[in-house]
Formats: sequence, structure tokens, C-alpha cells
Amino acid sequence: KQEVTQIPAALSVPEGENLVLNCSFTDSAIYNLQWFRQDPGKGLTSLLLIQSSQREQTSGRLNASLDKSSGRSTLYIAASQPGDSATYLCAVVGGGGADGLTFGKGTHLIIQP
Amino acid sequence: EAGVAQSPRYKIIEKRQSVAFWCNPISGHATLYWYQQILGQGPKLLIQFQNNGVVDDSQLPKDRFSAERLKGVDSTLKIQPAKLEDSAVYLCASSHTRLRGGAKNIQYFGAGTRLSVL
Repeated sequence: KQEVTQIPAALSVPEGENLVLNCSFTDSAIYNLQWFRQDPGKGLTSLLLIQSSQREQTSGRLNASLDKSSGRSTLYIAASQPGDSATYLCAVVGGGGADGLTFGKGTHLIIQP
Repeated sequence: EAGVAQSPRYKIIEKRQSVAFWCNPISGHATLYWYQQILGQGPKLLIQFQNNGVVDDSQLPKDRFSAERLKGVDSTLKIQPAKLEDSAVYLCASSHTRLRGGAKNIQYFGAGTRLSVL
């Protein structure tokens, strides 16, 4: 059974800092890995999707890397802003026939102005 | 493009009552998912539909939960009878199609229905 772990569970940093969120998964046979953002009372917004054959994806100030063999991914946020405050979730799709996502518990991020 | 619509946004019921949630996916999306998110946890997949057929319901507690997507568009998720541990946010997501041949197939999520069982 696939398990996804995110570290740290919570993080508070001053505005402008660069930061790294970590995700690990137990079964390396994944189809893809996605990073989501969740704001209170709202649904999930997809930030980046990395196919199993890829090593990284970039979007603006966000960069996600994937090391499938070691079961790890990182989300790098450059020059953090207060608007980045949210919960960040990592999720994987397994290599089997179903397409459902297996999520970690998330990292609750606070950017202090 | 309209997003995934869910209703109601909030629901409060007493244990042993029944409740139903509704989801309207993005137009043209063939694949629909229901997830349960308990406070402090990541979402957990309950069921996946492809058009009006079930692809995966291995984590659906079938003794009390049921879901349908009769015309391959809207979907309803029902709980009967509800238990205290069913208190959670129920998220609906849709994607254009199933994952095949390198397709990225991003899932788009609705705002969810927050259920409180007293």
C-alpha cells in the first residue's frame, strides 16, 4: 500500500526567504507526482505535475523535483510572499490501473510579512 | 471555463441520519472522483468513475456509502446511516480522461462539502 509522508508538518518563515518542502513515498512504481495548494475553505489547486520519466518541473517561483528511485520529491519556493501562505499537499498516482491520487498530510506554510 | 461545482457547502446532521452530496464536473470531463478529507489529513480517494462506470471503489465503505453517476455527468455521494467519524470535507474532482500513454490528466477539485455529524 502506497504511503506518502510530508516533512515538515508546519513551517513559518519571514517573507523573502527561499524554502523547501519535502515529500517521500514508499512505492516507487508511480505514474506521476503532483503538488497542490489548499487554502482554507477552498478546494485544491494543482501547482506542478511531474511525470515519472521527468526529473523536475518549474512554474514561476516554484520548482519541483522528483527522484523516483529513492521515493522523494521536493518543492522549492523562491522569494516567498505572504500570499504563499497555505497548506501544500503532495500526491502520487500509482502505476496500476486506477488513477486516484494518494496524498500526504500536507505542510502548513505561513509566510510572515 | 466553469470549475467543479459542489453542493451543499456545509451540512450538519445527527448520527444515524442520511445525507447526500452533489457534484457537477467540468464540462466534457469523463472521469470523476470523490475524496474524503478528515481534518489534519490529506484527501483519501473513495471512488472513481469513468463516464457512468466505476473504475475503483476499493476504499468506499460500502455498508454505508454509495455513489452514482447515472448519465455520466453529475454525481451524487450518499451516506446512510452517518457515523461521527464521517465528519470530514467531501471533495469532488474531475479530469478530462483517464491516465494513458503519457497524458498528464490533471485533476481539478471543487471547493468541497463540509459535513459535521453530531
